[in-house]
Amino acid sequence: RKEVEQDPGPFNVPEGATVAFNCTYSNSASQSFFWYRQDCRKEPKLLMSVYSSGNEDGRFTAQLNRASQYISLLIRDSKLSDSATYLCAVNSRTYKYIFGTGTRLKVLA
Amino acid sequence: DTEVTQTPKHLVMGMTNKKSLKCEQHMGHRAMYWYKQKAKKPPELMFVYSYEKLSINESVPSRFSPECPNSSLLNLHLHALQPEDSALYLCASSQGLRQGRSYNEQFFGPGTRLTVL
Repeated sequence: RKEVEQDPGPFNVPEGATVAFNCTYSNSASQSFFWYRQDCRKEPKLLMSVYSSGNEDGRFTAQLNRASQYISLLIRDSKLSDSATYLCAVNSRTYKYIFGTGTRLKVLA
Repeated sequence: DTEVTQTPKHLVMGMTNKKSLKCEQHMGHRAMYWYKQKAKKPPELMFVYSYEKLSINESVPSRFSPECPNSSLLNLHLHALQPEDSALYLCASSQGLRQGRSYNEQFFGPGTRLTVL
């Protein structure tokens, strides 16, 4: 089993739709969790950290489920500009980020 | 706008060349990282520096040699690379390595796209 797993997609959704991605991790000792967005041939950009209590930033909501060892990202009211690859990252006690392979999102007009 | 800068943006080198990649951050961060990313794959950690000391080397071949001259600068010296080393090389920085809200959030530079002929 990979340390961090994501559904590669693509998720094709119409504008205005709500879409959710999950990311599972295998190391129960993991303490820090992040979502990044990566556009084609660009660097990953930090979208949000994921806290135990869950957190929201505008149309984006991130949640952590420690019992089932996954994090989720919910995007409401999708925009064309949300089309990108969404990478989760999990930081283990060795201070190493493990990235998931990413989920591709295409928002269609 | 990224506060982590990398030069050059693109680099083409032969297998016998020696070149260096440079990274600079202006956020006062004390941890800096090198990653390698191949097409359609996630970034893979290569090296981690904390307070200018090498903390993690992910068993990277010696043809890659990192250097951290000061807390703002990170270099990656390249020598005798192979064509399979062609990739996007990303630099990142964070406040530090300790766990905790925002402390280990990593911010990436735009990367250097390296082609080895």
